[in-house]
Amino acid sequence: NAGVTQTPKFRILKIGQSMTLQCTQDMNHNYMYWYRQDPGMGLKLIYYSVGAGITDKGEVPNGYNVSRSTTEDFPLRLELAAPSQTSVYFCASKGQVTNTEAFFGQGTRLTVV
Amino acid sequence: GDSVTQMEGPVTLSEEAFLTINCTYTATGYPSLFWYVQYPGEGLQLLLKATKADDKGSNKGFEATYRKETTSFHLEKGSVQVSDSAVYFCALSDLENNNDMRFGAGTRLTVKP
Repeated sequence: NAGVTQTPKFRILKIGQSMTLQCTQDMNHNYMYWYRQDPGMGLKLIYYSVGAGITDKGEVPNGYNVSRSTTEDFPLRLELAAPSQTSVYFCASKGQVTNTEAFFGQGTRLTVV
Repeated sequence: GDSVTQMEGPVTLSEEAFLTINCTYTATGYPSLFWYVQYPGEGLQLLLKATKADDKGSNKGFEATYRKETTSFHLEKGSVQVSDSAVYFCALSDLENNNDMRFGAGTRLTVKP
């Protein structure tokens, strides 16, 4: 059972470059989330999705875009990377019921130089 | 909106000491409450959860009780081990907010032998 899989695990980008962080889950979860975690800090919600075809902004969406064409996949797109986007990015998924927990991927460590 | 306030760290304890990490929340509905643990270089893992008032979640010697009257979910362990060194996150999930997961800032625990 793979759970939530994120790729890549590490990436170095130059300022102005673009990239897509991949996230896929095999638990048939409706809810999916993207968070960023800055060094020594908590998690900030970037975008979330409550189902295929539906996405919405979280606390810190600027500089990012997402899509949810299937239940399984929730890619995060960075356009025109900036040093402020250096962070660890976590994808998570959750079932429909409120009292179930979210499952997290292993994270993508992104450095923008 | 919903929020979680967590005791600031870092916390350093000697092995076999008693641990308390405070967590309080604000929510519009009746949230489920969670404690997650993050070991170095890894994603977040569920430690325990409670889904309604007066529920007690427990796992690996850790406990937390859902206190609606004080809007709290404090994490406790009677005797910590070096292997408990990690970052601990309090979180809530609220159906009133599309099951959005909100996290506290995290508390870094270091246990010394």
